Amino acid sequence: DGGITQSPKYLFRKEGQNVTLSCEQNLNHDAMYWYRQDPGQGLRLIYYSQIVNDFQKGDIAEGYSVSREKKESFPLTVTSAQKNPTAFYLCASTDPRGRGSSNQPQHFGDGTRLSIL
Amino acid sequence: SQKIEQNSEALNIQEGKTATLTCNYTNYSPAYLQWYRQDPGRGPVFLLLIRENEKEKRKERLKVTFDTTLKQSLFHITASQPADSATYLCAAVGSSGDKLTFGTGTRLAVRP
Repeated sequence: DGGITQSPKYLFRKEGQNVTLSCEQNLNHDAMYWYRQDPGQGLRLIYYSQIVNDFQKGDIAEGYSVSREKKESFPLTVTSAQKNPTAFYLCASTDPRGRGSSNQPQHFGDGTRLSIL
Repeated sequence: SQKIEQNSEALNIQEGKTATLTCNYTNYSPAYLQWYRQDPGRGPVFLLLIRENEKEKRKERLKVTFDTTLKQSLFHITASQPADSATYLCAAVGSSGDKLTFGTGTRLAVRP
């Protein structure tokens, strides 16, 4: 079955440590996204990538970094510069058609919950 | 700034009744609105998309409306069941056309 796989499901970060969240998709989608979800807030866009080897900052990119070396993979690194990393992180993908990808539904993984030790 | 607003209070209804959830948007005119369902600890799942020139869209027991005058979308679940209990998210296209802005979601609880 096609889908998006996020790992690990739970992750703990120590002070000053960088951690990387994995996102893999086998849907052959060009566009991929990273969101952060906090209680009482909507999903907020961290980074997105419309095509391999290209990505753009979203609304809350500070303290995060990404890479898009392969179509299937879009890992997110939470750096030590992100002072409040505790959240539920969601990866999504979509198959853009025509102008932009927003007229297509996004397919989400089941998230990674990151906590501070 | 562009904003999507959903009622943060949970909606509690009796099984068999129609649930109606509201999504209001301000400071822009999205070309599309999308609705998703999210269960605890899971990622959102796409349900329906409605375009600005469509007044209404249906899928089985689900119905979505899009009122560009009121800047509002309504999401209806008819003959609701306890299995419909979840958080429902509204999302709209930003003016750049390549990003979605999500609302905070409304939690629906259907009691037997």
